[in-house]
Amino acid sequence: QVQLVESGGGLVKPGGSLRLSCTASGFIFSDYYMNWIRQAPGKGLEWLSYISGRGHAIYRDSVKGRFTISRDNAKNSVYLQLNNLRVEDTAVYYCARQNALFRVALDHWGQGVLVTVSS
Amino acid sequence: DIQMTQSPSSLSASVGDRVTITCQASQDIRNYLNWYQQKPGKAPKLVIFDVSNLQTGVPSRFIGSGSGTRFTLTIRSLQPEDFATYYCQQYDDLNPVTFGGGTKVEIK
Repeated sequence: QVQLVESGGGLVKPGGSLRLSCTASGFIFSDYYMNWIRQAPGKGLEWLSYISGRGHAIYRDSVKGRFTISRDNAKNSVYLQLNNLRVEDTAVYYCARQNALFRVALDHWGQGVLVTVSS
Repeated sequence: DIQMTQSPSSLSASVGDRVTITCQASQDIRNYLNWYQQKPGKAPKLVIFDVSNLQTGVPSRFIGSGSGTRFTLTIRSLQPEDFATYYCQQYDDLNPVTFGGGTKVEIK
């Protein structure tokens, strides 16, 4: 069955960096676009970025230049590099799979990983 | 950004009730509208994609409809496992993909 497992979260000071990982299993990873979405405590969902199977990526403006999505199809993994973190980046970060090539419908999600930015 | 406005933000209902949640987009998003269910402490789950297509494994009591800027999610006969927060999401404009603010369905 499809499984996505995130790791790499934690506590970091403002201005710091983290690298989140999401390891997939149960499907042909390279065939799917992968997304990152976050959810601040008690708030709604915020889409951040996606990456195609071949590595084409797009971002929301508020994280462009600070966050970088990447993937390693040989390792069935997608990553999100978080740089210059701000207090307002505190959230649970989810990776999720798109269910079709040009349809951003997220049919499988990881369990989420908490990133806390605080001094 | 395309704004997605959900109403109500919360509702109380009983098991067996028919519940309708509305999602209004700030511009025409064609049929690029999905719905998710999220329970506390859990990741969201895709319920409906492209307005009215039921995701595999989702019960047929979930019905999506709408077009253009106004969309609805109806739960025909609310079951105990349906108490959750529901989010709509558009992907007509990828810059950026946006979600509604959520509708919390609580037990009356």
